[in-house]
Amino acid sequence: GEDVEQSLFLSVREGDSSVINCTYTDSSSTYLYWYKQEPGAGLQLLTYIFSNMDMKQDQRLTVLLNKKDKHLSLRIADTQTGDSAIYFCAERGNYGGATNKLIFGTGTLLAVQP
Amino acid sequence: DVKVTQSSRYLVKRTGEKVFLECVQDMDHENMFWYRQDPGLGLRLIYFSYDVKMKEKGDIPEGYSVSREKKERFSLILESASTNQTSMYLCASSQPGPGEQYFGPGTRLTVT
Repeated sequence: GEDVEQSLFLSVREGDSSVINCTYTDSSSTYLYWYKQEPGAGLQLLTYIFSNMDMKQDQRLTVLLNKKDKHLSLRIADTQTGDSAIYFCAERGNYGGATNKLIFGTGTLLAVQP
Repeated sequence: DVKVTQSSRYLVKRTGEKVFLECVQDMDHENMFWYRQDPGLGLRLIYFSYDVKMKEKGDIPEGYSVSREKKERFSLILESASTNQTSMYLCASSQPGPGEQYFGPGTRLTVT
């Protein structure tokens, strides 16, 4: 079945760039997402990229997609302590129907040291 | 401001009890989802619904059932709670298509 994998933990210093990586197995993925979960809260969408794009930039966030290697990354420039959270990668396959069922990765805990 | 609310933030139940987790969305979304979140396992889909009275099994439906009698409300039912159902439960809703799933704050359920 479909699988999405992420490393569990990343530690960076405030002001540095963070790069969170994700690999997925479903070659029919149409959209790929990055969600953020702050402590005690639900998930919040950060950004998403369509599978025919290589890159998407949104302020401090840059998403890179290597479709050949099925690799997705999220780069956060000038990382702040407020960026400390769990980041989930998710993919939406071509399942048809009216739903948008997502497959989520395990999540990467980003710890930002002051 | 879009909103998904869940009936409880924290819940403690005994083994064998019947447990209801309620989720309400105010965005008139077609799709609603129940996930459980466990450390190191990420989010796993339990059930989803794409219309009133319609439901489909997700990846881990065993031990759970759902009910969607009204468009805005999606309930998760644990018929006989067990300790391995201790987890964080997250509800989400969305419109059909590639758009965002909006999540509630989660219910942390402990079964003793």
